[in-house]
Amino acid sequence: DAEITQSPRHKITETGRQVTLACHQTWNHNNMFWYRQDLGHGLRLIHYSYGVHDTNKGEVSDGYSVSRSNTEDLPLTLESAASSQTSVYFCATAGGSGRAPGNEQFFGPGTRLTVL
Amino acid sequence: AQSVTQLDSHVSVSEGTPVLLRCNYSSSYSPSLFWYVQHPNKGLQLLLKYTSAATLVKGINGFEAEFKKSETSFHLTKPSAHMSDAAEYFCVVNAGNNRKLIWGLGTSLAVNP
Repeated sequence: DAEITQSPRHKITETGRQVTLACHQTWNHNNMFWYRQDLGHGLRLIHYSYGVHDTNKGEVSDGYSVSRSNTEDLPLTLESAASSQTSVYFCATAGGSGRAPGNEQFFGPGTRLTVL
Repeated sequence: AQSVTQLDSHVSVSEGTPVLLRCNYSSSYSPSLFWYVQHPNKGLQLLLKYTSAATLVKGINGFEAEFKKSETSFHLTKPSAHMSDAAEYFCVVNAGNNRKLIWGLGTSLAVNP
């Protein structure tokens, strides 16, 4: 069965360190998304990609970067981790090409990141 | 601009009684609408979606939702709550020519025995 995997599932790091969260999908979906989930804020979009070599900023992209070198992976990098980036991070994918709306997103299990 | 408002942050029901989780949306386009569920410490699962077909949409686990354009609402209902329905529920809208989703803040559903 197709799936989305995220690693690590839990991570504790220190302020100022660079951290990379991995997202790998076997859906063969063009579209991939990174969200963070915080109490009182719901899910907020960090970055997204419509295909290989395409990346776009979401509503809370400061301090984060992504790159898309293949269809399967969209790693999320925190350049210099801050305590405000303590959160649960979800990767999601959606099918379709071009810019057609309506496709639901499928989610990975999440990564719980703590920045001390 | 698009937005989603979940009218209740917490809903508590007794097992076997009906569930109503309310959602209003704002969109300049014909929207696609979704309900997702998140059980404690779990990922997000699609419950149901509306994409301009039938206005009454049936989803998994006995849930359904009705799209009412005149009221800009997409309320989620279930005739009889089960203990396993206790979770966080998110109403989501996708409108316009891209695939970004706009998320509500969620409604926490508690089911009492």
